[in-house]
Amino acid sequence: EAQVTQNPRYLITVTGKKLTVTCSQNMNHEYMSWYRQDPGLGLRQIYYSMNVEVTDKGDVPEGYKVSRKEKRNFPLILESPSPNQTSLYFCASTSVGADTQYFGPGTRLTVL
Amino acid sequence: AQSVTQLGSHVSVSEGALVLLRCNYSSSVPPYLFWYVQYPNQGLQLLLKYTSAATLVKGINGFEAEFKKSETSFHLTKPSAHMSDAAEYFCAVSDTRNAGGTSYGKLTFGQGTILTVHP
Repeated sequence: EAQVTQNPRYLITVTGKKLTVTCSQNMNHEYMSWYRQDPGLGLRQIYYSMNVEVTDKGDVPEGYKVSRKEKRNFPLILESPSPNQTSLYFCASTSVGADTQYFGPGTRLTVL
Repeated sequence: AQSVTQLGSHVSVSEGALVLLRCNYSSSVPPYLFWYVQYPNQGLQLLLKYTSAATLVKGINGFEAEFKKSETSFHLTKPSAHMSDAAEYFCAVSDTRNAGGTSYGKLTFGQGTILTVHP
């Protein structure tokens, strides 16, 4: 089954404790991205990757890091989480030239 | 640069009534436009999309949307609301193209509209 998976689905952590949210897709998509969803703001892109070892900032990259060492994986790293990073996070993937993105199920992060 | 404005953060309708969710966009190139739905505590589901073919697009669950270039709008409608339509709806635009002219998928979302359906 074609899908984008994220782990964990729910995470409660404390300020400053490094964490990683994993994202994996099984569709051989070149393009992957991370979004955060906040009430009244919709979804905003954090980082994206055009292919392996090619990443770039989206609209709200501060406080986040990403890596793309393998085509299927695109982890989101919070080196020192802060409460303003409490949000719902979505990973998405698509093929270059395709018009539809596939979204993961979301990760709800709470930073205390 | 692309942007999306959804008019009305909350819309309330009675069951059986017309649903109209408004979306206006800004884009420097011919856009691709999307409507997504998010049911409570769930992920995003694609309702429908416009990718420069027919201007009236039909989606799942009886929803449709019409692309109006002159009005830069892509409003979502459904003739008769059901209780199960209660959810948050997002309009999104993609106008990013690579050097070859094909899309590489960045989506810019509106702020969302919460639809409430009353019995």
